[in-house]
Amino acid sequence: GDSVTQMEGPVTLSEEAFLTINCTYTATGYPSLFWYVQYPGEGLQLLLKATKADDKGSNKGFEATYRKETTSFHLEKGSVQVSDSAVYFCALSEKAGTALIFGKGTTLSVSS
Amino acid sequence: NAGVTQTPKFQVLKTGQSMTLQCAQDMNHEYMSWYRQDPGMGLRLIHYSVGAGITDQGEVPNGYNVSRSTTEDFPLRLLSAAPSQTSVYFCASSYTVTRGLPAYFGAGTRLSVL
Repeated sequence: GDSVTQMEGPVTLSEEAFLTINCTYTATGYPSLFWYVQYPGEGLQLLLKATKADDKGSNKGFEATYRKETTSFHLEKGSVQVSDSAVYFCALSEKAGTALIFGKGTTLSVSS
Repeated sequence: NAGVTQTPKFQVLKTGQSMTLQCAQDMNHEYMSWYRQDPGMGLRLIHYSVGAGITDQGEVPNGYNVSRSTTEDFPLRLLSAAPSQTSVYFCASSYTVTRGLPAYFGAGTRLSVL
C-alpha cells in the first residue's frame, strides 16, 4: 500500500541555518503531496502542496519539489527562525475521496 | 467561518466508560475523517466519511464507532474506553472533487483513559 517515510528527528538547528527534512513516498499512482506543520498544542496546518511531477510548493520561505523519478518531496528552508520550531508531517493523497497518508513527523527545534 | 471545531479539548475517562468526541465543520466539505496521533506513530486514520450517510473504516477502527447524519457533523464514539485509546484525536475535512485540495484539521481532543 501507499506509504510515506520521513527522516527521523529531532532536528536541532541554530537560527538562520539551512533546513532540509527528507520525505520519500511509495504510491501506485500519481499522488498529490503535502507538508503539514503542527505547532505545540495545536492541530495540523497545511504548509505547502504539489499535485504533479516537478511542481514546486512554497509558503513562508519553505519549499518542496515533487520529484517523481526519486519519489521524493523534501522540505527546505534557507534560513530558519525560532518560530519555525514545530513538528512537520509529509503526507500524500492518492485520489479524491481517500484519506491522507502521513509520515511519522519530524520535530524541528530552532534555538537563537 | 469557524473551520473545523472539535469538542471537548481535554477529557479523562475511566476504563469501560463511553463517550463521544464531537466534530463539526462549516465549509460544506463532503469528506471528513478522524485520526489519532501517538508518539512515534504519526497520524493514523480511524474512520472516514465521503458524505452524509456514508462511512468506512480506516487503519485502526477497533473500539470506535462513527455516523454521518449531516454534512456538517462527524462524531466519534468510544464504546468502552481502554488505556490503549489514550491519545490525541484530530478531525479533518476536505472537498473530494479534486485530490489536490488539502484537508483542514481541528485543534484536537486530548484523551486520557485511566
